[in-house]
Amino acid sequence: DAKTTQPTSMDCAEGRAANLPCNHSTISGNEYVYWYRQIHSQGPQYIIHGLKNNETNEMASLIITEDRKSSTLILPHATLRDTAVYYCIVHTGGFKTIFGAGTRLFVKA
Amino acid sequence: NAGVTQTPKFQVLKTGQSMTLQCAQDMNHEYMSWYRQDPGMGLRLIHYSVGAGITDQGEVPNGYNVSRSTTEDFPLRLLSAAPSQTSVYFCASRNSDNLYGYTFGSGTRLTVV
Repeated sequence: DAKTTQPTSMDCAEGRAANLPCNHSTISGNEYVYWYRQIHSQGPQYIIHGLKNNETNEMASLIITEDRKSSTLILPHATLRDTAVYYCIVHTGGFKTIFGAGTRLFVKA
Repeated sequence: NAGVTQTPKFQVLKTGQSMTLQCAQDMNHEYMSWYRQDPGMGLRLIHYSVGAGITDQGEVPNGYNVSRSTTEDFPLRLLSAAPSQTSVYFCASRNSDNLYGYTFGSGTRLTVV
């Protein structure tokens, strides 16, 4: 599975959009991009995933560049409860899913 | 629908003791995995299973054993606990189609003294 690179931490003002980038320049054609988040010490929670089209659900939007080498997770109106670590993962749906260190998002009032 | 249930939530062990962390899911998921998370770090894969009777090693398997006798259960055994195994352990499961990613349990906080 391809390796991903994410910023260590980011800040966002409450009510503004939070845009979390992820670089996956070695992604292959059959690999999906998945996003999870982990609030405080809870287990990670699935947010969204996509292959090459942009995706939106009730939690977030996922924008994947045309060359698929990077993506952005968008939380349209961040709240304090969105403060968490966000993980970007690329894999084929195979068995060994590796989580990196993620991005620590701080939403500030 | 309980999802993924992990027990116990907290455990303190003495060095050299053995124990089993329990994980059960009621979603009929084929894939199950164990991760450990050290303070301020990401998750590291210990062992995983793609179905009953089938297990394999992840990134950091040493010191741990697993078995998968049923679809529902995936226990993690610490053979001889060491302080380096102090961590939070998460169990996760998902379907083969991976439509909704992994569902994680709430974790077991293990301290080895």
